[in-house]
Amino acid sequence: GQNIDQPTEMTATEGAIVQINCTYQTSGFNGLFWYQQHAGEAPTFLSYNVLDGLEEKGRFSSFLSRSKGYSYLLLKELQMKDSASYLCAVLIMNTGFQKLVFGTGTRLLVSP
Amino acid sequence: EAGVAQSPRYKIIEKRQSVAFWCNPISGHATLYWYQQILGQGPKLLIQFQNNGVVDDSQLPKDRFSAERLKGVDSTLKIQPAKLEDSAVYLCASSPTLMGTEAFFGQGTRLTVV
Repeated sequence: GQNIDQPTEMTATEGAIVQINCTYQTSGFNGLFWYQQHAGEAPTFLSYNVLDGLEEKGRFSSFLSRSKGYSYLLLKELQMKDSASYLCAVLIMNTGFQKLVFGTGTRLLVSP
Repeated sequence: EAGVAQSPRYKIIEKRQSVAFWCNPISGHATLYWYQQILGQGPKLLIQFQNNGVVDDSQLPKDRFSAERLKGVDSTLKIQPAKLEDSAVYLCASSPTLMGTEAFFGQGTRLTVV
């Protein structure tokens, strides 16, 4: 089976830095995605990591350690519009196909 | 490029009624997913198609849920009969076959069962 854990909720202040952690236990791991989801909207892609290390994309960075089953999403210079849910999703390889399994999501509240 | 289209956006039905949702994925995407997202939770995979074949339906409540993807393009998800606990957003997503590419999501259908 798969187990993907994230904190339920986090709060931070505008302009600050926040780190959202994700731990996973899966077989057939083939990469990890982070998605952002504003209330009432569809998830949108933020990042994809398949190798160990840090991927930076503007204010957002994502890190992966495959040996530890651990990833984090780092958000810098927080803005009010960053208030959203952040979903960690693991790509799992099965015979002949891959499937995308989500964690429970972390709701981030950014205050002025 | 057109995104993933879903309809309807909202649906309210009484328990024990039936309901169907429609999804049109991005053109050329072989993989199609249906997810159920209950308020405050992450999306839960219900069923996954590769072209017009089912590759994973392990979490689909088959006594009441069914899905099909005719000709490997559009898909419909049906619930019959609906229960109160089926109230959720039903998200359709598609991705190309290429390994490691992200899934693109539709706006979802918000179902309320009363």
